[in-house]
Amino acid sequence: DTAVSQTPKYLVTQMGNDKSIKCEQNLGHDTMYWYKQDSKKFLKIMFSYNNKELIINETVPNRFSPKSPDKAHLNLHINSLELGDSAVYFCASRGTGASGANVLTFGAGSRLTVL
Amino acid sequence: GESVGLHLPTLSVQEGDNSIINCAYSNSASDYFIWYKQESGKGPQFIIDIRSNMDKRQGQRVTVLLNKTVKHLSLQIAATQPGDSAVYFCAEKGTSGTYKYIFGTGTRLKVLA
Repeated sequence: DTAVSQTPKYLVTQMGNDKSIKCEQNLGHDTMYWYKQDSKKFLKIMFSYNNKELIINETVPNRFSPKSPDKAHLNLHINSLELGDSAVYFCASRGTGASGANVLTFGAGSRLTVL
Repeated sequence: GESVGLHLPTLSVQEGDNSIINCAYSNSASDYFIWYKQESGKGPQFIIDIRSNMDKRQGQRVTVLLNKTVKHLSLQIAATQPGDSAVYFCAEKGTSGTYKYIFGTGTRLKVLA
């Protein structure tokens, strides 16, 4: 019954490889996000989709390509992996909190290690 | 990119004492703020939020204070417990209609027994 689930939780790969991380939410939310968390715990927004449409695209190398087949799924594909891509990637979805405003609900994260 | 040059501030608090975690936000037009707690190996979890038309909001053992004049947000945790040990983030959302949530650098809270 996990609200936002990401797979895989851990991913270890060689430089130059291509890999994907998948995210699914069962909250019925329209908007989903990808955030990158570096070794200093800094959380940086990468992309956001609202109902399958890209609405936020931060300055991210075009080796990163998000795809949203439907509003419950947002996947992240990374081509030609580099050492600096090593981080924890968090998926989130946006829904209504107790105050009526929109809070982000995060997945547990996918730790990517590039060797 | 990477948070080069930034470090994660740490706040050490004795168990049972009150904790105050501070956050300076960047956009004076931000209209909504959230505090998140991140435990080791987990994703950030919602704690409490506040809209820009309020200056204080209370939850269970937590209070958020907003000072728009100096763009400052604080999270107060009453009677801090070992389970409160985590990294705490503030997040701000820009003006109405934007979907962008910007996170602060985070503060690590250590609860001493």
